[in-house]
Amino acid sequence: DVKVTQSSRYLVKRTGEKVFLECVQDMDHENMFWYRQDPGLGLRLIYFSYDVKMKEKGDIPEGYSVSREKKERFSLILESASTNQTSMYLCASSWSNQPQHFGDGTRLSIL
Amino acid sequence: GNSVTQMEGPVTLSEEAFLTINCTYTATGYPSLFWYVQYPGEGLQLLLKATKADDKGSNKGFEATYRKETTSFHLEKGSVQVSDSAVYFCALRGQAGTALIFGKGTTLSVSS
Repeated sequence: DVKVTQSSRYLVKRTGEKVFLECVQDMDHENMFWYRQDPGLGLRLIYFSYDVKMKEKGDIPEGYSVSREKKERFSLILESASTNQTSMYLCASSWSNQPQHFGDGTRLSIL
Repeated sequence: GNSVTQMEGPVTLSEEAFLTINCTYTATGYPSLFWYVQYPGEGLQLLLKATKADDKGSNKGFEATYRKETTSFHLEKGSVQVSDSAVYFCALRGQAGTALIFGKGTTLSVSS
């Protein structure tokens, strides 16, 4: 069974901090994704990657960056956290055009 | 651009009631369509999918049929259970795309 693991379930940080959210998948999927989930807005794509060192902007990339140095790991970086980045962050992976598999999410609070 | 519209919730039903959650989409070409479910405190799980017109996806008693003529992919279940209480997301992947576009989600609450 596919396993997508996000490093933290809950995280509390302060404004201005640099924040790293980590995601690891164990099925050799080439595609990996970062979404944020907010009430009334559903899931919105932040960034995705279709190969090591490759990345594409999603719908809301502002204030975020990503890193994919190894195929199994996709990191989301908040360069200087702000309160409007308080949200649930979901990582997903997929192989080719197969359905995406999701992690359990990281609930991030920026104080 | 591509988009997904699903009915707003919350939807509140009694056990064994019939469920319909409406989903319509806008897309060029022939997208693939999905329903995902999110149980409390968890990530999203794929519930069912359909990749071409008139396909019917089904799983755990849920069904949805890809209707190109009405650009719809409505989710149905004949008899809901308390354990079906969750948030349901309709999503599409464009014909040439990789990422999913999600609807805003519909919260279902089933009481015994």
